[in-house]
Amino acid sequence: DTGVSQDPRHKITKRGQNVTFRCDPISEHNRLYWYRQTLGQGPEFLTYFQNEAQLEKSRLLSDRFSAERPKGSFSTLEIQRTEQGDSAMYLCASSPDPGTGGYNEQFFGPGTRLTVL
Amino acid sequence: AQSVTQPDIHITVSEGASLELRCNYSYGATPYLFWYVQSPGQGLQLLLKYFSGDTLVQGIKGFEAEFKRSQSSFNLRKPSVHWSDAAEYFCAVGLFSGGYNKLIFGAGTRLAVHP
Repeated sequence: DTGVSQDPRHKITKRGQNVTFRCDPISEHNRLYWYRQTLGQGPEFLTYFQNEAQLEKSRLLSDRFSAERPKGSFSTLEIQRTEQGDSAMYLCASSPDPGTGGYNEQFFGPGTRLTVL
Repeated sequence: AQSVTQPDIHITVSEGASLELRCNYSYGATPYLFWYVQSPGQGLQLLLKYFSGDTLVQGIKGFEAEFKRSQSSFNLRKPSVHWSDAAEYFCAVGLFSGGYNKLIFGAGTRLAVHP
């Protein structure tokens, strides 16, 4: 399967613990996105990478959140000192570079569902 | 600010009946528009997209959508619903800003299908 993969699919943690999620994009895609989806809502943009550079972070991404894409391939999203409000589905997506002024569709992974007790 | 509104939170239809899911957007320029479907525990699958050209676009699984600029709408339709269509449907606007793209999603419409 050559789609976007995410690991783990489910994570249950206690409040105050740190968690880390991994996303492996489609191999030829240089753009990678993280979204958060809470119950009953659509996904909300968190952050964006072009290759290894993190070019945009949403205000939703507090100081407890950090994302990396060290070699421009896979990405990790870490949440420190988790809170119950962090419980959500974390979705990763990737897309190829569309060129100047263009737009290419984003392909989504299955998500990591985080439950903070 | 850009936004997407899906007025119907839940819709129930009978199998074989027609379906229309509504989507309205707020965006200053010509938008890139998408419909995604999400089954329980799954990620998002793209049903169809509108970038430019013909305002009636065909997608997978027998879905189509019509872009109406005057109404700022991009409604999703299917002439005959199957039980397997039960899922959550998200409309999204794709923004090209600052040299990159991001998606703004609506809150979704959950579709239930009666046998």
